[in-house]
Amino acid sequence: SQELEQSPQSLIVQEGKNLTINCTSSKTLYGLYWYKQKYGEGLIFLMMLQKGGEEKSHEKITAKLDEKKQQSSLHITASQPSHAGIYLCGATRDSNYQLIWGAGTKLIIKP
Amino acid sequence: NAGVTQTPKFQVLKTGQSMTLQCAQDMNHNSMYWYRQDPGMGLRLIYYSASEGTTDKGEVPNGYNVSRLNKREFSLRLESAAPSQTSVYFCASSDLGQIGNTIYFGEGSWLTVV
Repeated sequence: SQELEQSPQSLIVQEGKNLTINCTSSKTLYGLYWYKQKYGEGLIFLMMLQKGGEEKSHEKITAKLDEKKQQSSLHITASQPSHAGIYLCGATRDSNYQLIWGAGTKLIIKP
Repeated sequence: NAGVTQTPKFQVLKTGQSMTLQCAQDMNHNSMYWYRQDPGMGLRLIYYSASEGTTDKGEVPNGYNVSRLNKREFSLRLESAAPSQTSVYFCASSDLGQIGNTIYFGEGSWLTVV
């Protein structure tokens, strides 16, 4: 099983609707990263969260890290076709050099 | 501004053949990584190099070797390719020891072993 659990595994959303992707750890995290991967392409950095309760936004995407630093959510408002792809969360448990990764959430936007 | 560059982008190998994936970064990062990505399994760390002159095994090192040639370059070698090594390989670099720093990825190398 993954040390970081992402849910859902896949998601089909009507264009214009809101959606949320979750990333959960059984242990406290030091830093939490969200990346987006377009099909057949590399990974694009979205946001990094470090403080419990922290929330960051970029355009229509908002990410939050809960107070206990064990779960993060990624919320997309008014989804667009450009939001389609695979969303990956990655995390460090301390300030070392390794990240652990969730299995990814595949997002499809229906026109 | 190239970031992380990895080559080749696509490769087909026969079982038993060897090959090297090349990776270079121009951001003066200390740490470099090689990951593989398989369906339903996310990214799995093969090897990493925390700094020039050091390399360490990650989660799935068997069948691979690495060389940190200098601060810029980190190569991954498959000595005798097996079908189980069919995957997408990503090189990455970072200075994760610094708070708030992120990790930057190359565009990926699609490897098929037949």
